Amino acid sequence: SQQGEEDPQALSIQEGENATMNCSYKTSINNLQWYRQNSGRGLVHLILIRSNEREKHSGRLRVTLDTSKKSSSLLITASRAADTASYFCATDPMIKAAGNKLTFGGGTRVLVKP
Amino acid sequence: EPEVTQTPSHQVTQMGQEVILRCVPISNHLYFYWYRQILGQKVEFLVSFYNNEISEKSEIFDDQFSVERPDGSNFTLKIRSTKLEDSAMYFCASSDGKRARYEQYFGPGTRLTVT
Repeated sequence: SQQGEEDPQALSIQEGENATMNCSYKTSINNLQWYRQNSGRGLVHLILIRSNEREKHSGRLRVTLDTSKKSSSLLITASRAADTASYFCATDPMIKAAGNKLTFGGGTRVLVKP
Repeated sequence: EPEVTQTPSHQVTQMGQEVILRCVPISNHLYFYWYRQILGQKVEFLVSFYNNEISEKSEIFDDQFSVERPDGSNFTLKIRSTKLEDSAMYFCASSDGKRARYEQYFGPGTRLTVT
């Protein structure tokens, strides 16, 4: 599989439930970032976790990173209908480059039913 | 809150025509990027730009593509002779020079349709 693969590909939950999605990657990273994309719209930066961090919180979001397993998870607690979107992980590789490119996964489509 | 802006939001062009997509990055950012997303597919890196030159480019970014920072605020992507397969959403992004390896902030995208 390619760098940055999310699972599941799609998730349907009721409002108030938690949503968990996972991301796996292959190469060593400097950091991993999660983005949200509403249908046909731009990418909104949610949270960045550095390779030396294991867990990070931002509001209702909780991100974990396990560099030994090359995986990350995004948990959205107490979901709302407005959380309906696609969620992507993007990895920043551990290379010395003047401009770092992000490698995106295929995304998890989350549907939160009211 | 400062944001990346892109124009136009939607561009329709005929195959073989040249298009220029425009972006205004966040004003104190020094690193600029273009990505694209073909409908239903992953977001793909095209090119990064720093200090008035390309710092990295992908295999997609062939001779038909070019980038330019014509003034202190705009960052453009030109496709010289568009192909049907260039139809995609094109995203511009920028990041803080002090934190180049950190968050990249994306614009809302330009939907390019090549007919």
